Amino acid sequence: DIQMTQTPSSMPASLGERVTISCRASQGISNYLNWYQQKPDGTIKPLIYYTSNLQSGVPSRFSGSGSGTDYSLTISSLEPEDFAMYYCQQYDSSPWTFGGGTKLELK
Amino acid sequence: QVTLKESGPGILQPSHTLSLTCSFSGFSLSTYGMGVSWIRQPSGKGLEWLASIWWNGNTYNNPSLKSRLTVSKDTSNNQAFLKVTSVDTADTATYYCAHTRYSSYIHYFDYWGQGVMVTVSS
Repeated sequence: DIQMTQTPSSMPASLGERVTISCRASQGISNYLNWYQQKPDGTIKPLIYYTSNLQSGVPSRFSGSGSGTDYSLTISSLEPEDFAMYYCQQYDSSPWTFGGGTKLELK
Repeated sequence: QVTLKESGPGILQPSHTLSLTCSFSGFSLSTYGMGVSWIRQPSGKGLEWLASIWWNGNTYNNPSLKSRLTVSKDTSNNQAFLKVTSVDTADTATYYCAHTRYSSYIHYFDYWGQGVMVTVSS
């Protein structure tokens, strides 16, 4: 199985700050990488697919990039509703696996 | 508008079979490229993909659960199902179903249900 490692596991940040969450795969995944957001009530929302494509309705302050084994999610200017958990997920090979998550917390 | 909702027993005993239903609207599981996947999350932990079923009836399971998983669908009634046999306390989790979009470069859980909590306890 491909292991997905997210860093950091938690990140205190301030409103308006630019943040980047990293996701590293245990082997190359050819950009087959998605990002999701989970709110405290458990609601899961897709953000980005195929490394850098923004899901319809997701604000443009979210962006994704990367290649090979290293990928990242960037939020350019944090809004109150962005404080949540974030997960990366690879679909290069089955079983599809998720990173351990990054908790974005208000500083 | 795509919506999905999971339903299940809430609590069940070890060694029993867990049966979950995903009722959905806004798409058909007989349309090319459409799928429904099951993902679970133990409390306070991360996400684990369990299984997917596709428009053509093909199914894919996570080998970590060996042969304990069965996914199926009822296209006429817009439902998908997950069965997990021989459950134990490690299967306690919130179970999500998700609409899964597939194309050449895309395999994406683009709509999620609210999740249903399942507790395995004697």
